[in-house]
Amino acid sequence: AQSVSQHNHHVILSEAASLELGCNYSYGGTVNLFWYVQYPGQHLQLLLKYFSGDPLVKGIKGFEAEFIKSKFSFNLRKPSVQWSDTAEYFCAVPPGGSQGNLIFGKGTKLSVKP
Amino acid sequence: EAGVAQSPRYKIIEKRQSVAFWCNPISGHATLYWYQQILGQGPKLLIQFQNNGVVDDSQLPKDRFSAERLKGVDSTLKIQPAKLEDSAVYLCASSLGTGSYNEQFFGPGTRLTVL
Repeated sequence: AQSVSQHNHHVILSEAASLELGCNYSYGGTVNLFWYVQYPGQHLQLLLKYFSGDPLVKGIKGFEAEFIKSKFSFNLRKPSVQWSDTAEYFCAVPPGGSQGNLIFGKGTKLSVKP
Repeated sequence: EAGVAQSPRYKIIEKRQSVAFWCNPISGHATLYWYQQILGQGPKLLIQFQNNGVVDDSQLPKDRFSAERLKGVDSTLKIQPAKLEDSAVYLCASSLGTGSYNEQFFGPGTRLTVL
């Protein structure tokens, strides 16, 4: 069965530092990949998604992610983080089939110090 | 556009009691999901509906959990009886249709504490 792993549980950065959060999924084939974000006190919301085409995907608020098929990875990046990026970030992948539900990683909590 | 509504936002019960959560999806969204998010973990799917039919309930503990979406709009998730390990945030999400191409929109969740 498909699974997804996020390697960093808690990341602490200062403002303007660069960010990279790791995400790996378990098997290949056609795969759709997602990053969701949950800001403090807010709903879980979609940050960006990859379905096909250009492996470098751009999302909201300056975030991007790169799909590397050979490494089964979909790492999230941002060149310069802001205090407002403090949130929990979840990588997700469909389990297979066409139902549309998602398997989520355990999440990475990002704390940005002003 | 109104988002996914959930109630209550918080619930504290004792083990062996029953509890019910309510979800009203975004208008026009045919697909509704219930996820369980235990502290320190990502959301885990409990059940998925397409209109009023169940698409996937393979991870729903059916001996104690039940869910319905009778009219294909709002949905109720029930736990009877609750166990300590059911303490979690219960998230409802909706999308226009099935298939991962349809973005899922999440509600605020119901935080359940079982004592």
